[in-house]
Amino acid sequence: SAVISQKPSRDICQRGTSLTIQCQVDSQVTMMFWYRQQPGQSLTLIATANQGSEATYESGFVIDKFPISRPNLTFSTLTVSNMSPEDSSIYLCSVVPHGGFGAFFGQGTRLTVV
Amino acid sequence: LAKTTQPISMDSYEGQEVNITCSHNNIATNDYITWYQQFPSQGPRFIIQGYKTKVTNEVASLFIPADRKSSTLSLPRVSLSDTAVYYCLVGDVGNYQLIWGAGTKLIIKP
Repeated sequence: SAVISQKPSRDICQRGTSLTIQCQVDSQVTMMFWYRQQPGQSLTLIATANQGSEATYESGFVIDKFPISRPNLTFSTLTVSNMSPEDSSIYLCSVVPHGGFGAFFGQGTRLTVV
Repeated sequence: LAKTTQPISMDSYEGQEVNITCSHNNIATNDYITWYQQFPSQGPRFIIQGYKTKVTNEVASLFIPADRKSSTLSLPRVSLSDTAVYYCLVGDVGNYQLIWGAGTKLIIKP
């Protein structure tokens, strides 16, 4: 298993600003992902955070809007840039431990853009 | 990536066994079946994973028939705290770019 610390847990932001969400894992992990989950909806994968290289984005998500960093095997950040109310959602960090089965999730960041 | 189909919602009562079935007709040879549980305002929690036949752990059992086109998550003797959304996912264990369906909202009544 893996213990994931995600910060902040929630925030209220003004439109046009940016928010950086941090994901810290207590052990080295093979893969790290960022998801978005709108209230009452299922999860949508934003991107795979690649260690030492550019993230791999899913259709509909672009680097300019959601820049991602992963400087090492235990840490990643997701920035939501130039926010609008449509970005209000829960953002989740997910990891797959070395040799493990199943993904583990952080508690999520509840973002409200006003 | 294989898609999955689950019931949108289910109700049951405390102490009962609950079985949630998931259809995945296009499952590939390398795909595993994984179930997650999600409570409101929390990230999903891994419950169980299997490839074929039956897998059991301390919280649930997973039944997978020989053709692997479906799977059933079995929760024994549920309690009110098992009220949650349950997601069935199918994918290569080495590839976690999974497609999340709507899940099954399970409501346990006293």
